[in-house]
Amino acid sequence: KQEVTQIPAALSVPEGENLVLNCSFTDSAIYNLQWFRQDPGKGLTSLLLIQSSQREQTSGRLNASLDKSSGRSTLYIAASQPGDSATYLCAVSSFGNEKLTFGTGTRLTIIP
Amino acid sequence: GAGVSQSPRYKVAKRGQDVALRCDPISGHVSLFWYQQALGQGPEFLTYFQNEAQLDKSGLPSDRFFAERPEGSVSTLKIQRTQQEDSAVYLCASSLDRGYNQPQHFGDGTRLSIL
Repeated sequence: KQEVTQIPAALSVPEGENLVLNCSFTDSAIYNLQWFRQDPGKGLTSLLLIQSSQREQTSGRLNASLDKSSGRSTLYIAASQPGDSATYLCAVSSFGNEKLTFGTGTRLTIIP
Repeated sequence: GAGVSQSPRYKVAKRGQDVALRCDPISGHVSLFWYQQALGQGPEFLTYFQNEAQLDKSGLPSDRFFAERPEGSVSTLKIQRTQQEDSAVYLCASSLDRGYNQPQHFGDGTRLSIL
């Protein structure tokens, strides 16, 4: 059974700093990995999707990497802003299954 | 609208009542998913449709939970004889096609509270 872990559970950093969020998964037989952000009381917004054959994806100040063999992904956020404050979730789609298995998220607070 | 729409946004019911939650996916999206999110947790998979066919219902916690998508567009998640442990946010997501590299697009969810 696929299990996804995100560390740390919460993170506070001053505005302007670069930061890294971590995600690990137990079964490397995945189709893709997605990073989402969730604002309080809202649904999930897809940030980046990395296919299993890819090593990284970039969108603006965000860069996600994938090391499938070691079961790890990182989300790098450059030059953090208060608007980046949210919960960040990673999720994997495993072979033979379109459903997503989620981690419990990292609650990020950017301090102005 | 352009996104996934869920209604109602909030639902309060007494224990033992039946509830129905609605999901309008993005127009043209073939795949539809339901997830349950407990407070402080990540979403957990409930069920998956490809058009009107329910291909996976392995995540439904009990036979009190039932989902349908009769015409391949709008979907309804029904919970019968609700219990307090059913209190959670129910999220619906859709994706364009059957494909393992299609991103899932989520609605804002229905927050269900069972008293």
